[in-house]
Amino acid sequence: KQEVTQIPAALSVPEGENLVLNCSFTDSAIYNLQWFRQDPGKGLTSLLLIQSSQREQTSGRLNASLDKSSGRSTLYIAASQPGDSATYLCAVRKGYNTDKLIFGTGTRLQVFP
Amino acid sequence: NAGVMQNPRHLVRRRGQEARLRCSPMKGHSHVYWYRQLPEEGLKFMVYLQKENIIDESGMPKERFSAEFPKEGPSILRIQQVVRGDSAAYFCASSPEDRGGNTEAFFGQGTRLTVV
Repeated sequence: KQEVTQIPAALSVPEGENLVLNCSFTDSAIYNLQWFRQDPGKGLTSLLLIQSSQREQTSGRLNASLDKSSGRSTLYIAASQPGDSATYLCAVRKGYNTDKLIFGTGTRLQVFP
Repeated sequence: NAGVMQNPRHLVRRRGQEARLRCSPMKGHSHVYWYRQLPEEGLKFMVYLQKENIIDESGMPKERFSAEFPKEGPSILRIQQVVRGDSAAYFCASSPEDRGGNTEAFFGQGTRLTVV
């Protein structure tokens, strides 16, 4: 059974710091991995999607890496801003025939000015 | 192209009542997924539907919960005889028929159910 864990559960940092959020999964047989952002009381916004054959994806100040064999992904946020404050979720997709996702419990990030 | 639309956004029900949550997928999408997010927890998969078919309901509670995705109209998640433990955010996601490698599911804003 696939389990997804995120560390740390919560993080509070001053503005401008570079951050690393961690995601680990127990079954390396994944199709892809996705990072989402969730603001309080809101839905999910997809940030980055990494296919199983890829090592990393970048979008602006965000960079996500994937090491499938070791069951790990990291989300790197450069030069953090207060607007980055949110919960960050990683999720793995198991197979080709389904978009069913297994989510981690999230990292709650607060960036203060 | 409107995104995935869920309604209502907020729903309050008394214990024992029925809750009906609606999800209209993105235009052209024929696959719908329902997830539940309990307070302070991650999202948990509930059910995966295609038009008129339930494909995977491995995450659905055995009793009181049902889901449908009719040929016409939105997908409905129905919870009968709600209890306080059903209070959660319920998210719907949709994806297109084409199962190309880069397809992904897009999420709605969720319905926040409160049982009082």
